[in-house]
Amino acid sequence: SQKIEQNSEALNIQEGKTATLTCNYTNYSPAYLQWYRQDPGRGPVFLLLIRENEKEKRKERLKVTFDTTLKQSLFHITASQPADSATYLCALLWDSSASKIIFGSGTRLSIRP
Amino acid sequence: GAGVSQSPRYKVAKRGQDVALRCDPISGHVSLFWYQQALGQGPEFLTYFQNEAQLDKSGLPSDRFFAERPEGSVSTLKIQRTQQEDSAVYLCASTTKQGLRINYGYTFGSGTRLTVV
Repeated sequence: SQKIEQNSEALNIQEGKTATLTCNYTNYSPAYLQWYRQDPGRGPVFLLLIRENEKEKRKERLKVTFDTTLKQSLFHITASQPADSATYLCALLWDSSASKIIFGSGTRLSIRP
Repeated sequence: GAGVSQSPRYKVAKRGQDVALRCDPISGHVSLFWYQQALGQGPEFLTYFQNEAQLDKSGLPSDRFFAERPEGSVSTLKIQRTQQEDSAVYLCASTTKQGLRINYGYTFGSGTRLTVV
């Protein structure tokens, strides 16, 4: 079955630096890969989607890459701020019919002032 | 409302009790999903509806779990004879059928935290 692995340890970054989070998967590549942010006591919030034929996607201070050869996605937050502190989840979808998505276990990110 | 609404926010149940968790999706959203999230873990898929049809229930852990969406809008997740291992946050999400094509993503509610004592 498909396995998704994210940085198991929490990531602590100095404010202003770039935070880089990793999402690795096994078996066959998904058609779509999403990144979500989750704050304590809240549901995940959608950030970005990248398709398998796209290498990179940007949105403001966020950048996502998708390497189907390495079976890996990287999620970057540039000029990080304490308000970026949260858990970040990657999620994989294998078809365009908006059926179920499979989540990784998440990486907790802390940005210290 | 503008978002996905779940109720109750917190539920404490005695072992063996039945519970019902409610989800009000965004109006017009065709697809509705239920996920279970244990502490420190990512959400795990339970079941998926397209309108009133339950198209995938492969993630339901046992026949004690039952979900319905009779009119294609509000959905209820029912857990019978609750056990301690059912303690988790239950998340509901909705999306348009065409959601992925417009980079829309899934919209999640804040979840119901179920504690079985």
